[in-house]
Amino acid sequence: GQQVMQIPQYQHVQEGEDFTTYCNSSTTLSNIQWYKQRPGGHPVFLIQLVKSGEVKKQKRLTFQFGEAKKNSSLHITATQTTDVGTYFCAVYYGGSQGNLIFGKGTKLSVKP
Amino acid sequence: NAGVTQTPKFQVLKTGQSMTLQCAQDMNHNSMYWYRQDPGMGLRLIYYSASEGTTDKGEVPNGYNVSRLNKREFSLRLESAAPSQTSVYFCASSEGRPTYGYTFGSGTRLTVV
Repeated sequence: GQQVMQIPQYQHVQEGEDFTTYCNSSTTLSNIQWYKQRPGGHPVFLIQLVKSGEVKKQKRLTFQFGEAKKNSSLHITATQTTDVGTYFCAVYYGGSQGNLIFGKGTKLSVKP
Repeated sequence: NAGVTQTPKFQVLKTGQSMTLQCAQDMNHNSMYWYRQDPGMGLRLIYYSASEGTTDKGEVPNGYNVSRLNKREFSLRLESAAPSQTSVYFCASSEGRPTYGYTFGSGTRLTVV
């Protein structure tokens, strides 16, 4: 079935180090969304990318959409303990409105 | 502004028991969704409702039923709970097409013993 691959599954960093998670698809994507879920919490929508090569920034977070619209990345500069959580990408494959497919997420832990 | 409210937050059921998970949103969103989240599996769509009066199956609908009671409320029912349904359940809503992003409730942690 339709799926999006997210890597890595886990990432452990020292506070102040950078972090990147990647989302890859074998098919061209119409858009991609990113969510953050804190431990014990619920997913929170961060951003949506729709254009080829698009780059968006939110403070220390940089989101990119690949030129071929088959991959995306989320980069965090100088991680802080508040960045701890799981980051999910989600892709809308079109058709019925229920087709927002989530990647399995990257769990980030930050050592102070 | 509560957003999406789910009840209960925690529940323990015995195998074979039934229960209904409640979800309500106050953002006037058209679309509502039920997901389950299991370790290492990400979020999987159970059922969704594109608009009031319509419901459709998602990726993992077996063992569940839903009711879109009105525009605000979307409930998920387990008729005969099984241990495989132990999970965290999230309700979400959106403006319509998911390009606007989903707003999630705080979740229901369900254990079936």
